[in-house]
Amino acid sequence: GAGVSQSPSNKVTEKGKDVELRCDPISGHTALYWYRQSLGQGLEFLIYFQGNSAPDKSGLPSDRFSAERTGGSVSTLTIQRTQQEDSAVYLCASSRTSGSIDEQFFGPGTRLTVL
Amino acid sequence: AQSVTQLDSQVPVFEEAPVELRCNYSSSVSVYLFWYVQYPNQGLQLLLKYLSGSTLVKGINGFEAEFNKSQTSFHLRKPSVHISDTAEYFCAVIQIKAAGNKLTFGGGTRVLVKP
Repeated sequence: GAGVSQSPSNKVTEKGKDVELRCDPISGHTALYWYRQSLGQGLEFLIYFQGNSAPDKSGLPSDRFSAERTGGSVSTLTIQRTQQEDSAVYLCASSRTSGSIDEQFFGPGTRLTVL
Repeated sequence: AQSVTQLDSQVPVFEEAPVELRCNYSSSVSVYLFWYVQYPNQGLQLLLKYLSGSTLVKGINGFEAEFNKSQTSFHLRKPSVHISDTAEYFCAVIQIKAAGNKLTFGGGTRVLVKP
């Protein structure tokens, strides 16, 4: 079956613009995670969705970052008023449940470049 | 809070030679342990995980890792590497019973296999 897909694969934007990054998890997976991979910070957790529960936003670096998950499936990560330090690869992962023994399957990522 | 330290940022190794990638973690509670691999321009793929039981864990592609609780380590090994093992390797933990099961990653180790 299809894995986790993300779009776009690459996004170049100007400082101050808003961007939206999309994640399509594996069908039937109830848990969805966003991570960020950057040169300065390595791989870091951003936000987590589990079913209809309130998301865990503890990793979002500022209030310019937000995410939603519609219908328990597709998720969109939005960055408002982008800054150069937002340049990174944004990775999405999904797992069958929120159980820690369930493997998180990662998408290929969206490479964001803020000029 | 927990943290993961990968002591080597880069490891050059000749083809068919053994390789060991070091990982140490710190956590106030028990954790599950993972190794992920990221091939160039691809997402993360799970190599192996330690949840409980035998401290020697075997994963895909001939990799294995050993959990050492007293040394809080989870080093990854392969007895004979191939050119195709050139990739970046990430050690990660999840706190047992923590909400969200978000992965905390180490800084990564780049393995370059030379012919």
